[in-house]
Formats: sequence, C-alpha cells, structure tokens
Amino acid sequence: DTAVSQTPKYLVTQMGNDKSIKCEQNLGHDTMYWYKQDSKKFLKIMFSYNNKELIINETVPNRFSPKSPDKAHLNLHINSLELGDSAVYFCASSQDPRVGEKLFFGSGTQLSVL
Amino acid sequence: KQEVTQIPAALSVPEGENLVLNCSFTDSAIYNLQWFRQDPGKGLTSLLLIQSSQREQTSGRLNASLDKSSGRSTLYIAASQPGDSATYLCADRGTGGFKTIFGAGTRLFVKA
Repeated sequence: DTAVSQTPKYLVTQMGNDKSIKCEQNLGHDTMYWYKQDSKKFLKIMFSYNNKELIINETVPNRFSPKSPDKAHLNLHINSLELGDSAVYFCASSQDPRVGEKLFFGSGTQLSVL
Repeated sequence: KQEVTQIPAALSVPEGENLVLNCSFTDSAIYNLQWFRQDPGKGLTSLLLIQSSQREQTSGRLNASLDKSSGRSTLYIAASQPGDSATYLCADRGTGGFKTIFGAGTRLFVKA
C-alpha cells in the first residue's frame, strides 16, 4: 500500500488555466506538507498543515491555495498558471514534527505549463 | 535564516569505495536531521533520521553523524555499489518543528 499518494503524476496545461493536485496519506499522520522542486532540483517548502490547520505559508503567491478537508488529505489548487510554476510538486506527511518524526514523501507531480 | 549546504554537489566513485557526503546547517536549535535518497523521476526515500539529542544513526552500510555545535552532519556509505547511484539530500527540521529545509543534494554515481 502506498503511504503518501498524489495524483496526477504528470500534468501538462496552458498558461492561465486552473489546476489541482490531490494528496492522500494512509499513515495516520497529523501533519502534511507541499514542497516544490524546481529545475535545479532544489526542494523548497510551500505549505505545512497540522490537524487541518495552516501552520506554514512560505511566501507562496496567493494563486496557490492548499485545502485540507481532513487530516489524511491535502490538496493543492493553482489558479492562473504561469510558466514559472513548471516544477515537480511533492506532498509529504509526518507525525507531529515537534517530536521529531520522519517525513514521508509522495512520488511527485510533474507540472508543465506551456 | 535557516540554510542547509551540501558538499560536494556531485561525486563519481568506483564500486567498492567508501565515501562521505557532507551537510552543514545554520540552525543550532534543530529538532532533527534527516538524510534522503532521490532516484531520477522519483520521490524521496528516507534513509536515516538523527534526533538533536543523538550523535549518529546506522542502517546497513549507511552511517550518519550529527554535530550540532559545528552545524555539520555526514553520511558515510561503506563499500559503495552501482545501486547506490542517486541524489542524496539532507534536511534540517528547525525550530518550531514544522519547517524542514533541504540542501541542494549530492549527485552520486558509482561506477561498476
């Protein structure tokens, strides 16, 4: 069973469109995250949610809106897509990070904006 | 500002060699440091996690150390194999716990 699963794996779209990426974890974790990996492979945190509450918003444009309907899901909606949004987006989860638990990652969604 | 630096950026070694990957971090109040492996086109796989109260962790041929006072961690890989070829990333979970910062990674190639 996949612990952290995200869909779709690939997403190709035109500039200006709106798209969503879904993420689900079956590990019973309290905290979920979105990371962006750019073309230089640098991985940067975007959002962190704990028990459905937004904890970290790392200066991400407000075109990006995360939504956590429950603890097991954290979806990412992106409005008015731009060329610079092309990247691989990773979802991750952990138990309460304040007690120092491991991060578990999904396999990534490669977004290409044309 | 919380920053993580990894050296070298890339490394090519012959099979069987022992090697060390380096990671330095600026946050002295870290919760833990985690080493990951990333294969091309794949997600990240956790290798080892060292809590801030620990000095090292071992798993098979891998050994990771943590020195908070100097802001450094090393990942030691013994008897490297071609299957070890991947990008290795270290990540510092800093103060507050919810923000994990990644280094840029070391791309390792082990030649058969």
